[in-house]
Amino acid sequence: QKEVEQNSGPLSVPEGAIASLNCTYSDRGSQSFFWYRQYSGKSPELIMSIYSNGDKEDGRFTAQLNKASQYVSLLIRDSQPSDSATYLCAVNQGNSGYSTLTFGKGTMLLVSP
Amino acid sequence: GAVVSQHPSRVICKSGTSVKIECRSLDFQATTMFWYRQFPKQSLMLMATSNEGSKATYEQGVEKDKFLINHASLTLSTLTVTSAHPEDSSFYICSATGTLNTEAFFGQGTRLTVV
Repeated sequence: QKEVEQNSGPLSVPEGAIASLNCTYSDRGSQSFFWYRQYSGKSPELIMSIYSNGDKEDGRFTAQLNKASQYVSLLIRDSQPSDSATYLCAVNQGNSGYSTLTFGKGTMLLVSP
Repeated sequence: GAVVSQHPSRVICKSGTSVKIECRSLDFQATTMFWYRQFPKQSLMLMATSNEGSKATYEQGVEKDKFLINHASLTLSTLTVTSAHPEDSSFYICSATGTLNTEAFFGQGTRLTVV
């Protein structure tokens, strides 16, 4: 059974700090990896995607992927109170001919002013 | 990013009635659609996965006769909550992916209240 694990948190960081969110996955055949942000009462929105080992940077966000260790992480630099949300890690295997997207349960991030 | 439109955003219905929620991909062909339910302060719970051209695959514990899913075309999926009860009140969210290994795009969600 495919599993995606995240620490539920909450992860509390002060404004301006770096927030580090981690995710591990069980299926070695996973091909693509995504981070979504979900504000309370809203649906998730995609913030980062990563497909190959290494780092991918987009503004204040950096996604890191290590397929050998089966983990993917998200770093948020200069954290802002508006970053307070639940961050969902999603993993897509996709080798059955269709997308098989599995979500973790999410990590709640709280950024204090 | 691609747009997924979900309607209605809010619905209140009487116990025992049925409610249909629509999920449309507006600018891409959705080969796979997912339906989730989320209770307050809890994580997304996958209810079912629907691949174009085949019947929906329901997660364990989800009653397929109660939650009817129709992936009518590559741009439309519907979820019908039949004989709704107050315990079905929740936030229902659809998402859709296009080709393999692409990200899922989410609809805005539907807040269902059964009274």
